[in-house]
Amino acid sequence: DTGVSQDPRHKITKRGQNVTFRCDPISEHNRLYWYRQTLGQGPEFLTYFQNEAQLEKSRLLSDRFSAERPKGSFSTLEIQRTEQGDSAMYLCASSLDRRETQYFGPGTRLLVL
Amino acid sequence: AQSVTQLDSQVPVFEEAPVELRCNYSSSVSVYLFWYVQYPNQGLQLLLKYLSGSTLVESINGFEAEFNKSQTSFHLRKPSVHISDTAEYFCAVSDRGYGGATNKLIFGTGTLLAVQP
Repeated sequence: DTGVSQDPRHKITKRGQNVTFRCDPISEHNRLYWYRQTLGQGPEFLTYFQNEAQLEKSRLLSDRFSAERPKGSFSTLEIQRTEQGDSAMYLCASSLDRRETQYFGPGTRLLVL
Repeated sequence: AQSVTQLDSQVPVFEEAPVELRCNYSSSVSVYLFWYVQYPNQGLQLLLKYLSGSTLVESINGFEAEFNKSQTSFHLRKPSVHISDTAEYFCAVSDRGYGGATNKLIFGTGTLLAVQP
């Protein structure tokens, strides 16, 4: 069990550029979550996958955001035409079952200039 | 829908003193309750959780929290804190996952526990 990993750990981009983040969950965890955390706030839910199916998306996830989880393994989160308001820490978490703990990755810190 | 309130944004305390971090929640359905901790420059780690059964839950490093359904609270306590407990503490709730619900975590805004020597 190597834990949840995320790549990259840091990303600096210019406004209007596209960025893509990757999350590798703990193996065999069929539930995968994306959250966003801004300074001074708790993490906020973005989207949820059960295996490869995206079952819920938050209203925070505008049309510029898209997430995938092909084959129910790793997941990607893409932000198109980034805005300064997208600057945040993007967290990924995975769990095995509804009663089981969600384990968080280290996060990807995005700065949009 | 659920929501979580952590009224204290920062709690300064001297080493070896007791501490209580407050958490209140609201929900129209039964929930699971969690405390996560975020040490400086590290990711979120689960500290303890309440799923069912005994309303008093404990962590391996001396923290405990008690689920109080009537007061919709899940306060975190430790009888004697250490410098190493300095961190941001987040209270969170989730639905129980019935009927296709997702178990997504709803977090409070966090409480910074600042332990001073």
